[in-house]
Amino acid sequence: GAGVSQSPSNKVTEKGKDVELRCDPISGHTALYWYRQSLGQGLEFLIYFQGNSAPDKSGLPSDRFSAERTGGSVSTLTIQRTQQEDSAVYLCASSLLGSGGYTFGSGTRLTVV
Amino acid sequence: AQSVTQPDIHITVSEGASLELRCNYSYGATPYLFWYVQSPGQGLQLLLKYFSGDTLVQGIKGFEAEFKRSQSSFNLRKPSVHWSDAAEYFCAPIFGNEKLTFGTGTRLTIIP
Repeated sequence: GAGVSQSPSNKVTEKGKDVELRCDPISGHTALYWYRQSLGQGLEFLIYFQGNSAPDKSGLPSDRFSAERTGGSVSTLTIQRTQQEDSAVYLCASSLLGSGGYTFGSGTRLTVV
Repeated sequence: AQSVTQPDIHITVSEGASLELRCNYSYGATPYLFWYVQSPGQGLQLLLKYFSGDTLVQGIKGFEAEFKRSQSSFNLRKPSVHWSDAAEYFCAPIFGNEKLTFGTGTRLTIIP
């Protein structure tokens, strides 16, 4: 597609439920990133996929968070047993390695009640 | 340790006035440097980037930034701001690992 697409745009979930957030990167972009933006924490790196390499998971805040990227394209970020502190905007970005500059999606606003 | 600092949390500028947003980094080499803008309720948009070469880079929307190695800075400037420039601005280096590290952001308010 023309841009990075994220779905849903908004998600309200009850504490303790699992959620899945989806990201469709720009076609042909080899790198895909997830970031989280929350009040007081700014923009935090979560995970990075590059081609067929093992993902860089160094930013995942706990083992309740996981992500996968199927076929080198679509990615899903899963949060298990959601907590109120997980409430944030989750941003996905993609890029061509070495091209400089990511293209960000509009984000998924997650609210845990 | 590598880090990025945006010293100004909030800046207010009159429409038509000039603007400079500060960004400093700490790193043992020259990182790749980026400025992003986030308008209310919108995603992040790339304004400009610096990899190497000419230290004054031009971006979209009339913005420019100057890399100064001696000061470890990459300040963003605009000669004359417009009301539509009101947004949050993020400086974001890549410290050699392909991951953007975001500063805390500077919120820009424009007054008539």
